Amino acid sequence: KAGVTQTPRYLIKTRGQQVTLSCSPISGHRSVSWYQQTPGQGLQFLFEYFSETQRNKGNFPGRFSGRQFSNSRSEMNVSTLELGDSALYLCASSVLRYRQGAREKLFFGSGTQLSVL
Amino acid sequence: GIQVEQSPPDLILQEGANSTLRCNFSDSVNNLQWFHQNPWGQLINLFYIPSGTKQNGRLSATTVATERYSLLYISSSQTTDSGVYFCAVGETSGSRLTFGEGTQLTVNP
Repeated sequence: KAGVTQTPRYLIKTRGQQVTLSCSPISGHRSVSWYQQTPGQGLQFLFEYFSETQRNKGNFPGRFSGRQFSNSRSEMNVSTLELGDSALYLCASSVLRYRQGAREKLFFGSGTQLSVL
Repeated sequence: GIQVEQSPPDLILQEGANSTLRCNFSDSVNNLQWFHQNPWGQLINLFYIPSGTKQNGRLSATTVATERYSLLYISSSQTTDSGVYFCAVGETSGSRLTFGEGTQLTVNP
């Protein structure tokens, strides 16, 4: 079974541009979540999607957005890039069925390394 | 929000040595997972262990939820065990996890 696939692996952008990152979850996984990893802040939760609906959102500005498609694939978008957005963006999927109290193991992709110049 | 503290921050071992990594958390959790991030950035899920003890080969983990800590044991360490080990906890249902700052493990041959 293929793992979580993220594209592209590396991305270089300039300030003010926007970027879209893609994530394909493990087959059968319906929950996709996104995390940002930086040397200063560590790993921080961005948002989570299940059945095409955003279920949870972290403390990030509105420039960070995402969506999920009917096949569970997800994209995240960052508009008006700032230097501080340079980070490794990690996508994770799980078999979560999002019933009360449910929690499942997270499986992460290899990430997209975004550099903002 | 919940606080997660991992210790030690750095650990250097010789191949074959054993080690114990600790994770303390500030509030009750219903989700606790251990991850290993290899030098290429890939996060590998080692354990889903909100309570109790689990073993997988040379690795084992114990979570004492009532005392708000978890331990990851690595026995007979190998150079491929090098990387950063993260503890992550969740308070609610879903995939939102709060990560600790990690333990940087270096295993020398």
